[in-house]
Formats: sequence, structure tokens, C-alpha cells
Amino acid sequence: DGGITQSPKYLFRKEGQNVTLSCEQNLNHDAMYWYRQDPGQGLRLIYYSQIVNDFQKGDIAEGYSVSREKKESFPLTVTSAQKNPTAFYLCASGSSGVTEAFFGQGTRLTVV
Amino acid sequence: GQNIDQPTEMTATEGAIVQINCTYQTSGFNGLFWYQQHAGEAPTFLSYNVLDGLEEKGRFSSFLSRSKGYSYLLLKELQMKDSASYLCACMDSNYQLIWGAGTKLIIKP
Repeated sequence: DGGITQSPKYLFRKEGQNVTLSCEQNLNHDAMYWYRQDPGQGLRLIYYSQIVNDFQKGDIAEGYSVSREKKESFPLTVTSAQKNPTAFYLCASGSSGVTEAFFGQGTRLTVV
Repeated sequence: GQNIDQPTEMTATEGAIVQINCTYQTSGFNGLFWYQQHAGEAPTFLSYNVLDGLEEKGRFSSFLSRSKGYSYLLLKELQMKDSASYLCACMDSNYQLIWGAGTKLIIKP
């Protein structure tokens, strides 16, 4: 079945450690996105990529990094520079232009 | 600046009708999306409006007025499973989605 897969669903890390969240899609979508969701706030864009080997910062890119080496994959690394990393992270993909975004199941990251 | 406003929380009764409003200000406009999100899960697409008027899809309908920067999502014959957050999002001139904070809908028996 076509879809977008995030793993893991829950992740715990110690403060100061980098952590990488996985996102894979087999929908043949060109565009992929990473969002952060905090209680009472809308989805905030971290990074997005419209094509392989290219990506742009979103509104809250500081403390995060991404890569887009394959069309299907868009991993997000939460670095130790991110001051408040505990959040619900959502990956999404979509075709170019005006189309709906398809979301993965999300990863809830807790840093202790 | 870009801004999407929607109520934080609404309560309705099973079997009734509820209207969730969304007002927006964006740099350019390429349409408005509504998504449903159950707690701890991913948002799922409900509707897309780019022209003024009402789009009906089963128990759910979505309305858009571009001149007023206003949309609403209408849910009829409410069921307990409709308890969720409803997210309004606008696509701006760069084809980026700008998201509202979501409206938590509580359905009571």
C-alpha cells in the first residue's frame, strides 16, 4: 500500500544527544515536509524539500538538520542545539503545486 | 503578516450540527484546506476550497468567502467519533501551507 511512514512512534533521548527521526514515502511525491506540533499551536514548518538534494529552512529550522539524498526519504536530525526538543513531529509529503499533504503517523520525542 | 484564526475549543451534542469558523490573512491565496486530527495521530485531509461557495462531502461541508477571508467547516449528524481537532490551513502564493492552531471539538452524548 502507498503511504508515508515515520519511525519510531515514541522516542526518548537524554539532553545533549542528537537524534534522527525517519520519514519514508512510496507515493512518488516530489515535496516532503517536517512539522513540529506543540499543544495549543498550529503546525510549524521546520524544513521542506521540493526535489532530491535540495531543501529549504522553514520557520523554525534552528537546531534541526535534514537531508534529501533519495526521493523517498527525508530524515530529520534534532541536534543538541535545539533548546526545546520535546514535541510531536510530523512528516508530510505532497505532489508539486496545489495538492493536499499526506502525513505520517508522527513521532513523539521526549528529551529528559 | 500571515495569520489563521479559529476557536480553540467547541462542544456539541451527538446528532446535532456544528460549524467551525476560520479566518485568514495570507500573502497570496491558493486555497484553503481542512484536516481532522484525532489525539496523538496524524492529520487527515477533509476538504479543499479555492473558489467561493459551499463544497459538500457527505456529513461534512466546507464554505469559503475569499473577499471576507473566511471559511467554515460544517459537520452534520454528529457522531462520537467526530471528537477530534479540526485544522484550518491556507496555501500562500509560494504554495506553502499556513496552519491554524486547530479547534478541539468535544461531542457529548
